[in-house]
Amino acid sequence: DIQMTQSPSLLSASVGDRVTLSCKASQNIYKYLNWYQQKLGEAPKLLIYYTNSLQTGIPSRFSGSGSGTDYTLTISSLQPEDVATYFCQQYNSWLTFGSGTKLEIK
Amino acid sequence: EVQLQESGPGLVKPSQSLSLTCSVTGYSITSNYWGWIRKFPGNKMEWMGYISYSGSTSYNPSLKSRISITRDTSKNQFFLQLNSVTTEDTATYYCARYPFRGGFDYWGQGVMVTVSS
Repeated sequence: DIQMTQSPSLLSASVGDRVTLSCKASQNIYKYLNWYQQKLGEAPKLLIYYTNSLQTGIPSRFSGSGSGTDYTLTISSLQPEDVATYFCQQYNSWLTFGSGTKLEIK
Repeated sequence: EVQLQESGPGLVKPSQSLSLTCSVTGYSITSNYWGWIRKFPGNKMEWMGYISYSGSTSYNPSLKSRISITRDTSKNQFFLQLNSVTTEDTATYYCARYPFRGGFDYWGQGVMVTVSS
C-alpha cells in the first residue's frame, strides 16, 4: 500500500495569503497525484490532476507541483470560499487518499 | 451535464450486506470508468473499487473478499454490494466517474450508511 501523508492537518490563514498544502507519498508515485476540495456537506471536487493540471472550471489561483514523493497544492491568494478540507490522492499503485488538510480563515 | 445519484438504505445490520445504486444521467456508463469511494467519520477517504466501460472490475485489495460492483447498462446504473458488514463500514458512500489514470471528476452527493443493530 502507498500511504499518503498530508500536512498540516489544520491550517488557518488570512484572506489574500498564499497558502501551501503538502502531501507526501510513502514511495515514488511518478506524479500520479490528484487534489480535491471538499466543502462541508458537499461532494469532493477535483481541482488538480496529474500533479499540476488544472481541472476545467477551477480558478487559476489553485496550482499544483511536485515529483517523486513530495507534492504541493498552492492557493496564490486565499479567498473566503476556499474554506474546505483538501485531499490528495495517488493513482500510481491502486488508489489511496491522504488524510486531508482542513483550511480555515483566520 | 453528467450527474450521479446514490441511493440505498441508510441503516444496515452487522453481518448483513450493504447494497447501493448509482444512477447516472447525461453520460453513458458504457464509456469511461465508474467508482465507489467512501469517507469514514473522522475524514479518512477510501477508494473501494471501479467498473469499466466494458464491465471489468478492480477492487481495493483490503475489500476484495467482500465487495462486488456490477452494472445495468439498460438503466445506466451501477451497483455496490459489500458483504458481512461491521460497524467499521459506517461511512458516507460516494459514486464517481473515473477517467482512467485521471481524477474522479464527477461525484454523487453521497449517501450516509450506518451499520448498527
